[in-house]
Amino acid sequence: GAGVSQSPRYKVAKRGQDVALRCDPISGHVSLFWYQQALGQGPEFLTYFQNEAQLDKSGLPSDRFFAERPEGSVSTLKIQRTQQEDSAVYLCASSLAGAGYGYTFGSGTRLTVV
Amino acid sequence: SQQGEEDPQALSIQEGENATMNCSYKTSINNLQWYRQNSGRGLVHLILIRSNEREKHSGRLRVTLDTSKKSSSLLITASRAADTASYFCATVEGQGAQKLVFGQGTRLTINP
Repeated sequence: GAGVSQSPRYKVAKRGQDVALRCDPISGHVSLFWYQQALGQGPEFLTYFQNEAQLDKSGLPSDRFFAERPEGSVSTLKIQRTQQEDSAVYLCASSLAGAGYGYTFGSGTRLTVV
Repeated sequence: SQQGEEDPQALSIQEGENATMNCSYKTSINNLQWYRQNSGRGLVHLILIRSNEREKHSGRLRVTLDTSKKSSSLLITASRAADTASYFCATVEGQGAQKLVFGQGTRLTINP
């Protein structure tokens, strides 16, 4: 597609529920990134894929967070047993060949845990 | 963790005026990028400046980079109401690094 597509756009989860957030990057983009953005803050890095390989997951806040990109295109960010502090906007970005170029961001998924 | 710090945190000016936002960072960088985010939307890439560049222009945007002071500035000339948004600087740290590290952003409001 023309841009990075994320779904769902909004998600309300009850505390303790598992959620899955989807990202469709731009076709042919090798690099894919997940960021978490709290209200009024800058995006915080979560994890990075190059094709299907997860090369950096240092930003994942706990073992409840898991990301995958099995075929090197679509990626899913899964959060298990959601907590209120997980409420944030989750942004996905892709890049043709890493950080030497600009990233293209999706519109994000706003997750609210109640 | 946040790498860059934007200054000011919020800026309100009249349409037609110039807006200047500053960014400071802590470690050596490969490049520095500026992004715009409209309320409730994703980030849009504006401009990238490499560590060996000092100034770059794109339309009404002018970016400077001073690696000795570890700082960058974004100037928007002849501002328009549509420029109202949050602006973030982001750095790529060192050779081979891939992730962007963002600052807290500057909230810019252009008053008609």
